[in-house]
Amino acid sequence: GAVVSQHPSRVICKSGTSVKIECRSLDFQATTMFWYRQFPKQSLMLMATSNEGSKATYEQGVEKDKFLINHASLTLSTLTVTSAHPEDSSFYICSARDPGGSDTGELFFGEGSRLTVL
Amino acid sequence: GQNIDQPTEMTATEGAIVQINCTYQTSGFNGLFWYQQHAGEAPTFLSYNVLDGLEEKGRFSSFLSRSKGYSYLLLKELQMKDSASYLCAVMDSNYQLIWGAGTKLIIKP
Repeated sequence: GAVVSQHPSRVICKSGTSVKIECRSLDFQATTMFWYRQFPKQSLMLMATSNEGSKATYEQGVEKDKFLINHASLTLSTLTVTSAHPEDSSFYICSARDPGGSDTGELFFGEGSRLTVL
Repeated sequence: GQNIDQPTEMTATEGAIVQINCTYQTSGFNGLFWYQQHAGEAPTFLSYNVLDGLEEKGRFSSFLSRSKGYSYLLLKELQMKDSASYLCAVMDSNYQLIWGAGTKLIIKP
């Protein structure tokens, strides 16, 4: 099946710094990628839809200036958490659909990135 | 509003069978997904149902009734490694995925 890779898997940073998380589709081109956030024991929360070559679409309540998304190529989307604070500590997951794959609409997920802000 | 309901937690015995239910109310329907998620890891795809009926895939089966807004995931011959959270998700009329909160399945020896 299609592979989506996310990096880094774990990151610890100081409050006030910025952190970049990369999401790559390894064997297919993804015009659209999705960024999720998941708190412990809670479901996935869609943060934004990343569109190649255009601005991301953010869900209600998600600060676009706080969570910068760049989808510069068909295989790479990045999420930058700017001026991170402890409340930003969470598990961030990206996903993508393989447009050339099965038509089930199956999402392929990256491994996830656990962010801890001290 | 849109809503996905599934039990918060279930416990079962190794070797047994367990059924995890999911009910949904969404604006439109373009398929229902089940994902497995181990603690600290990203979800992995288990099944997809868009028509009524039962889809069997090895030890896992998924059932859908669109008229009832209901699905279940059936796990047979439970193994300890099946201990995980199971997420039900529905794709609505805008092809957006609406996620349930997940069911934590605990397998006991």
